[in-house]
Amino acid sequence: DAKTTQPPSMDCAEGRAANLPCNHSTISGNEYVYWYRQIHSQGPQYIIHGLKNNETNEMASLIITEDRKSSTLILPHATLRDTAVYYCIVRVVTGANNLFFGTGTRLTVIP
Amino acid sequence: DTGVSQDPRHKITKRGQNVTFRCDPISEHNRLYWYRQTLGQGPEFLTYFQNEAQLEKSRLLSDRFSAERPKGSFSTLEIQRTEQGDSAMYLCASSPRTSSGNTIYFGEGSWLTVV
Repeated sequence: DAKTTQPPSMDCAEGRAANLPCNHSTISGNEYVYWYRQIHSQGPQYIIHGLKNNETNEMASLIITEDRKSSTLILPHATLRDTAVYYCIVRVVTGANNLFFGTGTRLTVIP
Repeated sequence: DTGVSQDPRHKITKRGQNVTFRCDPISEHNRLYWYRQTLGQGPEFLTYFQNEAQLEKSRLLSDRFSAERPKGSFSTLEIQRTEQGDSAMYLCASSPRTSSGNTIYFGEGSWLTVV
């Protein structure tokens, strides 16, 4: 699976949009971009994933650049409960395809 | 809630003792994963089952670790002769096998402290 690069930490004001970037310049054509988050002492929570089109669900939006070498996770209205470590992962969705986590981005939402 | 269930959530054991963790995946998910996470690090893959078959094991899974999924439903992870370095959170996850993708869903983890 391709490696990803994320900033180690970010702050966001409560109620504002949080934009979390991720670089995955070596991504292959059959690899999806997945985002998970982990709130302190809990298991990772699935947020969203996509291949090349932008995706939106009730939690977030995922914007993938046309060349697929980077993506941005957008939390439209951050709340204090969104404070967590956010992981960007690229993976093939055939075969075993387990997840390889990096160190992620620690997002702190500030009141 | 029919998410991934793990038991026990917390375990404190003396060095040298054996411990066993249980995982109940989401119903009808045929893929089951075990991960380990130490403080300040992201989860690390340990092993993976498809139904009852253990198809992949990480080099992190030493001989003291054994995982089973006897009937393709729940799974157990046993650690024999625990060492202080085994202290970590052990995460179980499951996923379906579909042609449109197989998102992996995690449980809340089992914390192990070896004293």
